Parts: sequence; structure tokens; C-alpha cells
Amino acid sequence: DAGVTQSPTHLIKTRGQQVTLRCSPKSGHDTVSWYQQALGQGPQFIFQYYEEEERQRGNFPDRFSGHQFPNYSSELNVNALLLGDSALYLCASSSQGDTQYFGPGTRLTVL
Amino acid sequence: AQKVTQAQTEISVVEKEDVTLDCVYETRDTTYYLFWYKQPPSGELVFLIRRNSFDEQNEISGRYSWNFQKSTSSFNFTITASQVVDSAVYFCALRKAGAQKLVFGQGTRLTINP
Repeated sequence: DAGVTQSPTHLIKTRGQQVTLRCSPKSGHDTVSWYQQALGQGPQFIFQYYEEEERQRGNFPDRFSGHQFPNYSSELNVNALLLGDSALYLCASSSQGDTQYFGPGTRLTVL
Repeated sequence: AQKVTQAQTEISVVEKEDVTLDCVYETRDTTYYLFWYKQPPSGELVFLIRRNSFDEQNEISGRYSWNFQKSTSSFNFTITASQVVDSAVYFCALRKAGAQKLVFGQGTRLTINP
């Protein structure tokens, strides 16, 4: 039974560029949440997708957007990258309101 | 607003010692859920336990045990007879009923020395 998978593992971008991160949920899960984890900090909630719609959003600007596909996989897009967007981006999947299980993350470095 | 505080930034112990990680939370909600996750160097957050606010029973799973006390808004985690493989960053998190987001503490970096 495959767990949550994320791609790519690492990514290096320059300021002003755009990036897309991908997540496939655990088998049987229909909900995907995204978190940003800066170095030495706890993860911060970005948003959650369920039934292909954004269900709840954290305190992140509109440069952060997402999408969920009919197969429940999800993408996180970040436009106009800033140095401060450098972080580990974690995807978590769950079955509706149940416990969230996390993927290995994508390490984004913005130069 | 909800808040989770893990006052211990770093803990270092020798293998086989017992260690307790503290977690204090703030919420005005009557129904909520508490979690502990482990983050090894690989980066993936590994789910350890979930507790409902209306269930104050303590839980033991092998060398791990959790002490939930609503009166002090604490949800502490104890590792008995620690092992080097327990070295990781541990996060406590809170989610209110009906909401989607997990609110995490800052984490405690636990190092078990051989």
C-alpha cells in the first residue's frame, strides 16, 4: 500500500520564477492538505483540497494556489517566488476529516 | 485562536534513559484533537498518535506513552528506555473539530546518544 508521494524531491529556483509541486495521496484518501515548513519551525498550513475544491486556507498570499484532480492528486503552485519561500513543502492526505498522513516533502530553494 | 507550545527546543539523553517531551496547548473549543508526529532527518512527518478532547485516558504503545490532562491543557509524550533510532524532531499538533488545519508547535529535537 503506497503512502503519500511527492515530486520533485528537491528544486532550485530563482526569485520571480514560478514553481509547481505535486502530491499523490495515500490509497483510499480523498483529501489533500499542503504545509510549508521553514527551517527549524513547525509546519504551517497553506490550504486543503477536497472534491477538487479548496476547503480551507491558511495565512498565505494569493501567490500560493492549488488544484486537485479527479484522481485526488494535487498540485501546489507558487508564483513570483521570494527568497522567503525557501522551505520544505509537505503534502498530507486524509479521508475527509480523519488523521493526516504526510509525504516526504519537496525541498524548495529560492536563490 | 489555537496555539501549541513545546517549550523544550532540544533534549539530549543517553540511550536507555527515559525522556518526556512536553506539549501545552491553547484553544477555546470544547471538541478538538491532539496529535504527535515524529520527523526523522529524511523529513517525512510520521504519525504517532491522535487523541480526542473527550477521551482523557492515557495510552501506551510499546516504549511510547502519552499523558493527556485537560486540566493543565497538556499532552506529554514519554519514551521509555530510549534508543538511538528515537532521535528525531517531535511535533505536537492541535486541530479543532470541523476545521481542516493542524496547528503545530515548534518541535523538540531529541538526540539519543549511544
